[in-house]
Amino acid sequence: AQTVTQSQPEMSVQEAETVTLSCTYDTSENNYYLFWYKQPPSRQMILVIRQEAYKQQNATENRFSVNFQKAAKSFSLKISDSQLGDTAMYFCAFRGSRLTFGEGTQLTVNP
Amino acid sequence: DGGITQSPKYLFRKEGQNVTLSCEQNLNHDAMYWYRQDPGQGLRLIYYSQIVNDFQKGDIAEGYSVSREKKESFPLTVTSAQKNPTAFYLCASSIGAGTYEQYFGPGTRLTVT
Repeated sequence: AQTVTQSQPEMSVQEAETVTLSCTYDTSENNYYLFWYKQPPSRQMILVIRQEAYKQQNATENRFSVNFQKAAKSFSLKISDSQLGDTAMYFCAFRGSRLTFGEGTQLTVNP
Repeated sequence: DGGITQSPKYLFRKEGQNVTLSCEQNLNHDAMYWYRQDPGQGLRLIYYSQIVNDFQKGDIAEGYSVSREKKESFPLTVTSAQKNPTAFYLCASSIGAGTYEQYFGPGTRLTVT
């Protein structure tokens, strides 16, 4: 069975600065996808970014980028130029035979 | 607009009563899922359906039941056998059951007293 670990329950960052959220996973599968989801106070789960395991190039979506280290089973999320609207719970998720979520990191962006 | 709807946003029930949470999608997705989220925790899979008239138990299916009679709809019934039903429930769908990303509805907060 796969597991996803987010070791930072809470983080904070000043507006306009950069922050990195950590995620590690454990699996014996070779073909899989990784995702970061954002859950703001509204509690709507929003897909932020996805990474296919077979791609070596790190995914990027505007201010969001990942550092995918397949051998180390690490998948961190970097948020550049943090904005107040980035304040949310962020979940790392592994998609192999099923979708498995980490326990989340609460990110607060301070003005 | 295409999307996933869940209603109602807040639901209150007395202990011992069954309650059904609705989930509808107009994305033409084959696969649908139900998750439970408890405070400060991630999501746990209750049930999923890869195709109409077929569904599978997830990690915490005890005390829950589902049906998938139509592609667009995947209602979840929380039965009186569920020992701790108060939680936030999220429905999701994906194009297929493979490694596709899942898209989520707005959720239903169920409170049982």
